[in-house]
Amino acid sequence: SQQGEEDPQALSIQEGENATMNCSYKTSINNLQWYRQNSGRGLVHLILIRSNEREKHSGRLRVTLDTSKKSSSLLITASRAADTASYFCATAALGNQFYFGTGTSLTVIP
Amino acid sequence: DAMVIQNPRYQVTQFGKPVTLSCSQTLNHNVMYWYQQKSSQAPKLLFHYYDKDFNNEADTPDNFQSRRPNTSFCFLDIRSPGLGDAAMYLCATSRELGRAFRETQYFGPGTRLLVL
Repeated sequence: SQQGEEDPQALSIQEGENATMNCSYKTSINNLQWYRQNSGRGLVHLILIRSNEREKHSGRLRVTLDTSKKSSSLLITASRAADTASYFCATAALGNQFYFGTGTSLTVIP
Repeated sequence: DAMVIQNPRYQVTQFGKPVTLSCSQTLNHNVMYWYQQKSSQAPKLLFHYYDKDFNNEADTPDNFQSRRPNTSFCFLDIRSPGLGDAAMYLCATSRELGRAFRETQYFGPGTRLLVL
């Protein structure tokens, strides 16, 4: 399966700390995307990184991509209680395949 | 604001009774997707429309069908819901310039389906 594996499955941190979550995948990709999902709601797109990019920033978010290791990481700096959500990576692979990873549940304690 | 709208937000149906979920978009995107998401799991793609072309995922049960009468609307029909079909159903859209890869998807709030 192309489905990404995310690590850790659950993460609990104090407000103000940084949160790092990782995504690994199995086959070559065109791009990798990160989404956030608040409980019982739809997904919100956070950032897209293409296979020829190594790092991208958006506000407090920093995403890295290592295609040689088939892995990506999402760093949320200076976390806030409002960042509490599930975070999913999604890979867009050759042949129009698009899969979500298993997700990381982040809890930010005020 | 441009957005993806799903109605209803909650749907209760009876075992075996056909049900239709609806999705509309004001983004004028050419691709629309339907995902099934069960509790604490990743969204699973059921099918998508690229313009008018319907693309079914290989493991999507025949019980699930879809219609896209125009660019703005897309429907998910579950012909005979079973207890295992209780889930959140997510609609998403994207603007694709080619068929080679997937771009950013914009999701609706989802419809939670309960099967009694």
